[in-house]
Amino acid sequence: DSGVTQTPKHLITATGQRVTLRCSPRSGDLSVYWYQQSLDQGLQFLIQYYNGEERAKGNILERFSAQQFPDLHSELNLSSLELGDSALYFCASSVGGAVSEQYFGPGTRLTVT
Amino acid sequence: QKEVEQDPGPLSVPEGAIVSLNCTYSNSAFQYFMWYRQYSRKGPELLMYTYSSGNKEDGRFTAQVDKSSKYISLFIRDSQPSDSATYLCAMSARGNEKLTFGTGTRLTIIP
Repeated sequence: DSGVTQTPKHLITATGQRVTLRCSPRSGDLSVYWYQQSLDQGLQFLIQYYNGEERAKGNILERFSAQQFPDLHSELNLSSLELGDSALYFCASSVGGAVSEQYFGPGTRLTVT
Repeated sequence: QKEVEQDPGPLSVPEGAIVSLNCTYSNSAFQYFMWYRQYSRKGPELLMYTYSSGNKEDGRFTAQVDKSSKYISLFIRDSQPSDSATYLCAMSARGNEKLTFGTGTRLTIIP
Protein backbone atom coordinates (compact mmCIF):
# COMPACT_ATOMS: atom_id res chain seq x y z
CA ASP A 1 0.00 0.00 0.00
CA SER A 2 1.59 3.27 -1.18
CA GLY A 3 -0.48 5.48 1.10
CA VAL A 4 -2.08 7.28 -1.86
CA THR A 5 -5.82 6.76 -2.10
CA GLN A 6 -8.07 7.25 -5.08
CA THR A 7 -11.83 7.11 -5.46
CA PRO A 8 -13.81 5.72 -7.10
CA LYS A 9 -12.12 2.53 -8.28
CA HIS A 10 -14.36 2.20 -11.31
CA LEU A 11 -16.54 4.61 -13.23
CA ILE A 12 -18.84 3.78 -16.11
CA THR A 13 -20.47 6.73 -17.80
CA ALA A 14 -21.86 7.85 -21.13
CA THR A 15 -20.37 10.12 -23.76
CA GLY A 16 -20.93 13.80 -23.09
CA GLN A 17 -21.05 13.36 -19.33
CA ARG A 18 -18.81 14.85 -16.63
CA VAL A 19 -17.01 12.97 -13.86
CA THR A 20 -14.77 13.85 -10.92
CA LEU A 21 -11.90 11.68 -9.74
CA ARG A 22 -10.50 12.17 -6.26
CA CYS A 23 -7.02 11.64 -4.86
CA SER A 24 -5.58 11.88 -1.35
CA PRO A 25 -1.77 12.01 -1.25
CA ARG A 26 0.49 10.31 1.26
CA SER A 27 0.72 12.06 4.59
CA GLY A 28 3.28 14.86 4.33
CA ASP A 29 3.44 14.92 0.53
CA LEU A 30 2.86 18.32 -1.03
CA SER A 31 2.96 17.40 -4.73
CA VAL A 32 0.19 15.62 -6.57
CA TYR A 33 0.48 14.39 -10.14
CA TRP A 34 -2.19 13.03 -12.44
CA TYR A 35 -1.39 10.50 -15.16
CA GLN A 36 -3.49 8.76 -17.78
CA GLN A 37 -2.71 5.20 -18.85
CA SER A 38 -4.22 3.85 -22.03
CA LEU A 39 -3.27 0.73 -23.96
CA ASP A 40 -1.84 2.61 -26.93
CA GLN A 41 -0.24 5.60 -25.15
CA GLY A 42 1.19 4.15 -21.97
CA LEU A 43 1.48 6.38 -18.90
CA GLN A 44 1.12 10.04 -19.84
CA PHE A 45 1.53 12.98 -17.49
CA LEU A 46 -1.48 15.26 -17.28
CA ILE A 47 -0.93 17.87 -14.58
CA GLN A 48 0.93 18.58 -11.33
CA TYR A 49 -0.03 20.57 -8.27
CA TYR A 50 2.33 21.60 -5.51
CA ASN A 51 0.95 22.86 -2.21
CA GLY A 52 -2.27 24.05 -3.82
CA GLU A 53 -0.75 25.70 -6.88
CA GLU A 54 -0.62 24.37 -10.43
CA ARG A 55 3.02 23.65 -11.20
CA ALA A 56 3.15 21.93 -14.56
CA LYS A 57 0.86 20.84 -17.36
CA GLY A 58 1.37 17.98 -19.73
CA ASN A 59 -0.87 16.48 -22.37
CA ILE A 60 -4.08 17.53 -20.67
CA LEU A 61 -7.10 18.26 -22.81
CA GLU A 62 -9.00 21.52 -22.38
CA ARG A 63 -12.04 19.43 -21.36
CA PHE A 64 -10.06 18.26 -18.32
CA SER A 65 -9.26 20.36 -15.28
CA ALA A 66 -7.88 19.75 -11.82
CA GLN A 67 -7.35 21.44 -8.49
CA GLN A 68 -5.64 20.81 -5.18
CA PHE A 69 -7.44 21.82 -2.03
CA PRO A 70 -6.03 23.27 1.22
CA ASP A 71 -6.03 19.80 2.80
CA LEU A 72 -3.86 18.74 -0.20
CA HIS A 73 -6.32 16.31 -1.72
CA SER A 74 -6.83 16.75 -5.44
CA GLU A 75 -9.66 16.31 -7.89
CA LEU A 76 -9.49 15.73 -11.62
CA ASN A 77 -12.58 16.81 -13.54
CA LEU A 78 -13.28 15.31 -16.95
CA SER A 79 -16.10 16.80 -19.01
CA SER A 80 -17.76 16.25 -22.39
CA LEU A 81 -16.47 12.73 -22.20
CA GLU A 82 -15.59 10.84 -25.37
CA LEU A 83 -15.04 7.15 -25.98
CA GLY A 84 -11.30 7.81 -26.27
CA ASP A 85 -11.19 9.08 -22.69
CA SER A 86 -11.65 5.53 -21.44
CA ALA A 87 -8.45 4.74 -19.55
CA LEU A 88 -6.88 4.23 -16.16
CA TYR A 89 -6.27 7.49 -14.32
CA PHE A 90 -3.56 7.47 -11.68
CA CYS A 91 -2.68 9.96 -9.05
CA ALA A 92 0.84 10.04 -7.63
CA SER A 93 2.33 12.07 -4.82
CA SER A 94 5.77 13.10 -3.69
CA VAL A 95 7.25 15.15 -0.90
CA GLY A 96 8.26 17.97 -3.25
CA GLY A 97 11.40 20.04 -3.21
CA ALA A 98 14.31 18.18 -4.82
CA VAL A 99 12.59 14.80 -4.53
CA SER A 100 11.57 12.83 -7.59
CA GLU A 101 10.25 9.67 -6.00
CA GLN A 102 6.56 9.46 -6.79
CA TYR A 103 4.19 7.01 -5.19
CA PHE A 104 1.14 5.96 -7.14
CA GLY A 105 -2.39 5.29 -6.05
CA PRO A 106 -4.43 2.28 -7.18
CA GLY A 107 -6.05 4.23 -10.00
CA THR A 108 -9.56 4.90 -11.26
CA ARG A 109 -10.72 2.90 -14.25
CA LEU A 110 -12.96 5.06 -16.42
CA THR A 111 -15.14 3.49 -19.07
CA VAL A 112 -17.06 5.78 -21.41
CA THR A 113 -19.85 4.08 -23.34
CA GLN B 1 10.97 9.43 -31.73
CA LYS B 2 9.92 8.81 -28.15
CA GLU B 3 12.04 10.30 -25.38
CA VAL B 4 12.18 6.92 -23.63
CA GLU B 5 12.30 3.61 -25.47
CA GLN B 6 11.58 0.29 -23.81
CA ASP B 7 11.13 -3.13 -25.41
CA PRO B 8 7.53 -4.15 -24.65
CA GLY B 9 8.36 -7.85 -24.68
CA PRO B 10 6.75 -10.09 -23.66
CA LEU B 11 9.69 -11.69 -21.89
CA SER B 12 9.41 -15.18 -20.42
CA VAL B 13 12.17 -16.72 -18.30
CA PRO B 14 12.35 -19.79 -16.02
CA GLU B 15 12.18 -19.39 -12.27
CA GLY B 16 15.58 -18.69 -10.72
CA ALA B 17 17.01 -17.01 -13.84
CA ILE B 18 18.55 -13.54 -13.91
CA VAL B 19 16.33 -11.06 -15.69
CA SER B 20 17.67 -8.01 -17.50
CA LEU B 21 15.34 -5.14 -18.39
CA ASN B 22 16.50 -2.06 -20.25
CA CYS B 23 15.54 1.41 -21.40
CA THR B 24 17.22 3.95 -23.61
CA TYR B 25 16.50 7.65 -23.63
CA SER B 26 17.28 10.66 -25.77
CA ASN B 27 16.96 13.60 -23.37
CA SER B 28 20.38 14.26 -21.87
CA ALA B 29 18.77 16.42 -19.17
CA PHE B 30 17.35 13.37 -17.38
CA GLN B 31 19.09 12.87 -14.05
CA TYR B 32 16.62 10.89 -11.93
CA PHE B 33 15.82 7.32 -12.92
CA MET B 34 13.21 4.99 -11.52
CA TRP B 35 11.86 1.51 -12.06
CA TYR B 36 8.26 0.69 -11.30
CA ARG B 37 6.51 -2.66 -11.18
CA GLN B 38 2.88 -2.82 -12.21
CA TYR B 39 0.64 -5.81 -11.73
CA SER B 40 -2.36 -6.08 -14.00
CA ARG B 41 -4.81 -3.21 -13.42
CA LYS B 42 -2.96 -2.01 -10.33
CA GLY B 43 -1.02 1.15 -9.61
CA PRO B 44 2.72 1.27 -10.42
CA GLU B 45 4.88 0.36 -7.42
CA LEU B 46 8.24 2.11 -7.01
CA LEU B 47 11.04 -0.47 -6.99
CA MET B 48 14.26 1.44 -7.50
CA TYR B 49 15.31 5.07 -7.55
CA THR B 50 18.72 6.32 -8.66
CA TYR B 51 20.24 9.69 -9.25
CA SER B 52 22.76 10.26 -12.06
CA SER B 53 25.06 7.41 -13.12
CA GLY B 54 26.03 4.34 -11.16
CA ASN B 55 24.61 1.22 -9.59
CA LYS B 56 22.14 0.67 -6.78
CA GLU B 57 21.26 -2.64 -5.19
CA ASP B 58 18.23 -3.55 -3.11
CA GLY B 59 17.80 -7.21 -2.29
CA ARG B 60 17.37 -9.16 -5.53
CA PHE B 61 17.15 -5.97 -7.59
CA THR B 62 20.02 -3.96 -9.09
CA ALA B 63 19.58 -0.77 -11.06
CA GLN B 64 22.29 0.56 -13.35
CA VAL B 65 22.49 3.93 -15.05
CA ASP B 66 24.94 4.79 -17.81
CA LYS B 67 24.35 8.42 -18.68
CA SER B 68 27.11 8.48 -21.29
CA SER B 69 25.19 5.85 -23.28
CA LYS B 70 21.74 7.08 -22.19
CA TYR B 71 20.96 3.54 -21.08
CA ILE B 72 19.46 2.18 -17.87
CA SER B 73 18.98 -1.38 -16.71
CA LEU B 74 17.21 -3.33 -14.02
CA PHE B 75 18.48 -6.77 -13.04
CA ILE B 76 16.41 -9.24 -11.06
CA ARG B 77 18.31 -12.14 -9.50
CA ASP B 78 16.76 -15.45 -8.47
CA SER B 79 13.54 -14.53 -10.27
CA GLN B 80 10.28 -15.73 -8.71
CA PRO B 81 6.81 -16.29 -10.21
CA SER B 82 5.66 -13.35 -8.08
CA ASP B 83 7.97 -11.12 -10.15
CA SER B 84 5.66 -11.64 -13.14
CA ALA B 85 4.41 -8.14 -13.94
CA THR B 86 4.99 -5.20 -16.25
CA TYR B 87 8.14 -3.22 -15.49
CA LEU B 88 8.19 0.45 -16.32
CA CYS B 89 11.23 2.70 -16.45
CA ALA B 90 10.70 6.36 -15.66
CA MET B 91 12.89 9.42 -15.53
CA SER B 92 12.91 13.15 -14.89
CA ALA B 93 15.29 16.04 -15.32
CA ARG B 94 14.74 17.67 -11.94
CA GLY B 95 13.26 16.85 -8.59
CA ASN B 96 9.57 17.46 -8.00
CA GLU B 97 8.89 17.17 -11.71
CA LYS B 98 6.77 14.99 -13.98
CA LEU B 99 8.03 11.54 -14.92
CA THR B 100 8.49 10.38 -18.49
CA PHE B 101 7.77 6.68 -18.76
CA GLY B 102 8.78 3.89 -21.06
CA THR B 103 5.98 1.77 -22.46
CA GLY B 104 6.77 -1.09 -20.07
CA THR B 105 8.10 -4.63 -20.49
CA ARG B 106 5.77 -7.48 -19.66
CA LEU B 107 7.68 -10.19 -17.77
CA THR B 108 6.53 -13.73 -17.00
CA ILE B 109 8.52 -16.03 -14.71
CA ILE B 110 7.76 -19.65 -15.49
CA PRO B 111 7.73 -22.01 -12.46
